[in-house]
Amino acid sequence: EVQLVESGGGLVQPGRSLRLSCAASGFTFDDYAMHWVRQAPGKGLEWVSGISWNSGSIGYADSVKGRFTISRDNAKNSLYLQMNSLRAEDTALYYCAKERFLEWERVNYGMDVWGQGTTVTVSS
Amino acid sequence: QSALTQPASVSGSPGQSITISCTGTSSDVGSYNLVSWYQQHPGKAPKLMIYEGSKRPSGVSNRFSGSKSGNTASLTISGLQAEDEADYYCCSYAGSSKVFGGGTKLTVL
Repeated sequence: EVQLVESGGGLVQPGRSLRLSCAASGFTFDDYAMHWVRQAPGKGLEWVSGISWNSGSIGYADSVKGRFTISRDNAKNSLYLQMNSLRAEDTALYYCAKERFLEWERVNYGMDVWGQGTTVTVSS
Repeated sequence: QSALTQPASVSGSPGQSITISCTGTSSDVGSYNLVSWYQQHPGKAPKLMIYEGSKRPSGVSNRFSGSKSGNTASLTISGLQAEDEADYYCCSYAGSSKVFGGGTKLTVL
């Protein structure tokens, strides 16, 4: 079964850090680009970051650039999101999603596999 | 990286057709035929419905179709069914990033 399982969310104080993980199974992980997409409570989807199959191409939303770092370990079939200097507005459900191609830039084959998300709450 | 503009809500009766628009700029929707559409039911993860503007992934009903004109992409759902009631989001490549629309709530009357 093709599956993505996120972990690492929780309650964190403003200014602190958190690292999210996404474990992939059921497909050849290093054949595909990956994304993090978040959804604040009651709000819409927001693309956070994307990474190509070999980590050669990485992009970030302006809202997280300089604070968040995406990475992947193909040997462990895992995707990560290091979140630093967290703000209240980063509070959201964070989804890991698989692109239907090895690159994410200049293509939009769509994100066809999504996890169930992990919740990040930034509050003092 | 401004969010693409979608109507907040649309509605239709069973059997009817509806269209959801997604308006961007010449830097995103207008520059690339690279829009995807997602369906999200309450409490569930999004589901890919359309990619590359008009293509359907395997398993998605042919009642769903996509198109683009200028800076506006559109999702049309024909033969509305009760299970189509959900939130719908467009997503475009935007030059070194991706951007989603604000979402449209579809109500099947």
